[in-house]
Amino acid sequence: KQEVTQIPAALSVPEGENLVLNCSFTDSAIYNLQWFRQDPGKGLTSLLLIQSSQREQTSGRLNASLDKSSGRSTLYIAASQPGDSATYLCAVLHGSSNTGKLIFGQGTTLQVKP
Amino acid sequence: SQTIHQWPATLVQPVGSPLSLECTVEGTSNPNLYWYRQAAGRGLQLLFYSIGIDQISSEVPQNLSASRPQDRQFILSSKKLLLSDSGFYLCAWISGGFNNEQFFGPGTRLTVL
Repeated sequence: KQEVTQIPAALSVPEGENLVLNCSFTDSAIYNLQWFRQDPGKGLTSLLLIQSSQREQTSGRLNASLDKSSGRSTLYIAASQPGDSATYLCAVLHGSSNTGKLIFGQGTTLQVKP
Repeated sequence: SQTIHQWPATLVQPVGSPLSLECTVEGTSNPNLYWYRQAAGRGLQLLFYSIGIDQISSEVPQNLSASRPQDRQFILSSKKLLLSDSGFYLCAWISGGFNNEQFFGPGTRLTVL
């Protein structure tokens, strides 16, 4: 059974710091891995998608890496800003790509202080 | 471009009342559609998914049901709500093709009293 774990559960940093969020999964047979952002009371916004054959993806100040063999992914946020405060969720697409079931971690709640 | 709508945004219902939540997708055809629930202090739980009209798969036994009467419409229902049905309900669709990137709607906050 695929399980996804995110560490830490919460993180508070001063503005301007670079930070890393961690995600691990137990079964390496994934189709892809997605990082999402969720603001309080809102839906999920897709940040980055990494296919199982890729090692990293970048979008602006965000960089996500994937090491499928060790079951790990990291989300790197450069030069953090108060607007980055949100909950970050990672999810793996497990099983057949046709059914596309995402298995989510519990999330990391990030607070960036001005 | 594709957009996903959920209605209503918030809902307060008494225990034992019926429920109908609607999700519609625009700008794509034959998407895979999903219903998730996010309960307070818990992660996202997949409830149902659908790969086509009238094709529904249930992930967990529960008090809820889902239907897909049209290609881009996904409905979550209950005949009698329980307190434990309270939560944030999210609808999602998948882009298909090589990417299989999943996109989420704005959600419906359901409170059962």
